Amino acid sequence: NAGVTQTPKFRILKIGQSMTLQCTQDMNHNYMYWYRQDPGMGLKLIYYSVGAGITDKGEVPNGYNVSRSTTEDFPLRLELAAPSQTSVYFCASSYDRGFTGELFFGEGSRLTVL
Amino acid sequence: DAKTTQPNSMESNEEEPVHLPCNHSTISGTDYIHWYRQLPSQGPEYVIHGLTSNVNNRMASLAIAEDRKSSTLILHRATLRDAAVYYCILRDPNQGAQKLVFGQGTRLTINP
Repeated sequence: NAGVTQTPKFRILKIGQSMTLQCTQDMNHNYMYWYRQDPGMGLKLIYYSVGAGITDKGEVPNGYNVSRSTTEDFPLRLELAAPSQTSVYFCASSYDRGFTGELFFGEGSRLTVL
Repeated sequence: DAKTTQPNSMESNEEEPVHLPCNHSTISGTDYIHWYRQLPSQGPEYVIHGLTSNVNNRMASLAIAEDRKSSTLILHRATLRDAAVYYCILRDPNQGAQKLVFGQGTRLTINP
C-alpha cells in the first residue's frame, strides 16, 4: 500500500511565485487534510475536505487554496508565495469521523520561500 | 476544545521502559485519548488510543487514570527508533479529525 503520497518532497520558491503541492491517497478515505509545521512547533490545519467537491478552511488558510475533484487527490495551491509560508507541509487522510478514524500522514513537503 | 499538557522533553536509555505523561483535566466524558508520534523528518503516525480502560498494542500501552484527567503512554523497552515527538490528543468521536489539536508534544530522546 502506498498510503498517502506527497510531491514534491522539497521545493524552493522565490517570493511571488505560485505552486501546487500534490497529495494522493489510495485508501479510499473520504476525509483529507493539509497541515503545516513550522520548526519546533506542532501542526496547524490549513484546509480539510470531507469528500469530493467539499472543502473547508482550517486554522491558517490565508495564502492557500485547495480543491477536491476526486476522492484520491487533494492538491494545495500556494499563490504569491511569501517567506512566511516557509514550512513543512503534511497531507493526511482518514476514513471517517469517529474514535477509530486515525489519521494517515504523508512524508511531508519541505518548502522554502526566498 | 479540551486541551492536553505534556512535558516539552524527556530522556531515557535504550532497552528501559519509558513513561510519557499527559494531563487533560478538562476532558469530556466522550473524548477519546489518542497518541501519535512523529519520527525525525516524517509525518506523524498513530500509536494508540483509549477511552477508559488501559490499552495495549504492539507499539505501546496506554494507562488511563480512573478520573480520566491524565494518562500515560508506556513504551516497555525503548529502542533508538523510538526517539520522536509524542503527541497526546483528545478526540471527540462526534466531530471530524479536523478538530484534532497537535500541540508541541514531548520530544523523547533515547540514549544508547
